[in-house]
Amino acid sequence: ETGVTQTPRHLVMGMTNKKSLKCEQHLGHNAMYWYKQSAKKPLELMFVYNFKEQTENNSVPSRFSPECPNSSHLFLHLHTLQPEDSALYLCASSQSLQGAATDTQYFGPGTRLTVL
Amino acid sequence: AQSVTQLGSHVSVSEGALVLLRCNYSSSVPPYLFWYVQYPNQGLQLLLKYTSAATLVKGINGFEAEFKKSETSFHLTKPSAHMSDAAEYFCAVSDSNDYKLSFGAGTTVTVRA
Repeated sequence: ETGVTQTPRHLVMGMTNKKSLKCEQHLGHNAMYWYKQSAKKPLELMFVYNFKEQTENNSVPSRFSPECPNSSHLFLHLHTLQPEDSALYLCASSQSLQGAATDTQYFGPGTRLTVL
Repeated sequence: AQSVTQLGSHVSVSEGALVLLRCNYSSSVPPYLFWYVQYPNQGLQLLLKYTSAATLVKGINGFEAEFKKSETSFHLTKPSAHMSDAAEYFCAVSDSNDYKLSFGAGTTVTVRA
């Protein structure tokens, strides 16, 4: 069983669409993260959840809405996106935020999002 | 806040040659340092990490990195490149004041036959 899975792997949407990205981890972790990866830029942390509670919102526009129903699943709901939101969206998990500074984060393969 | 600078966005090496990827960090407290690798169409995978134990850290696939406090560096090396090392490599830093990882912009490695 792959540690962190993401669906869909590719998504093309118009600016008026609503879509959701899904992440699932099979590692028994309690912390989950959403990152945005744009070409030749550092990964940008978007949201962090610990034991289903959101602990970080890194000034992300409200057109991105996360949801964490349990420690194994994380969603990113998208609506009225802009073309500059096109990027690779990565999900990651780690044991928990206690000791997170030294913990390894495990990443999914990402969803390649294109906004037309 | 901590930060990382990766020198060189692209490195090209011959198969069998030394791989050297440079990373310099900035942190107001002792850092924790990581190297991740991203193969095409995959997520990031941990190569190795420094968490204040031995300054020379050995990782997977023959990679190693040395923490040098005086130079604020954590360069990644591999003595002999293999075609399978072609990927993008990211240096990242966290510390005891901020668990969140700050990533560099990445270095793309190509390996010439």
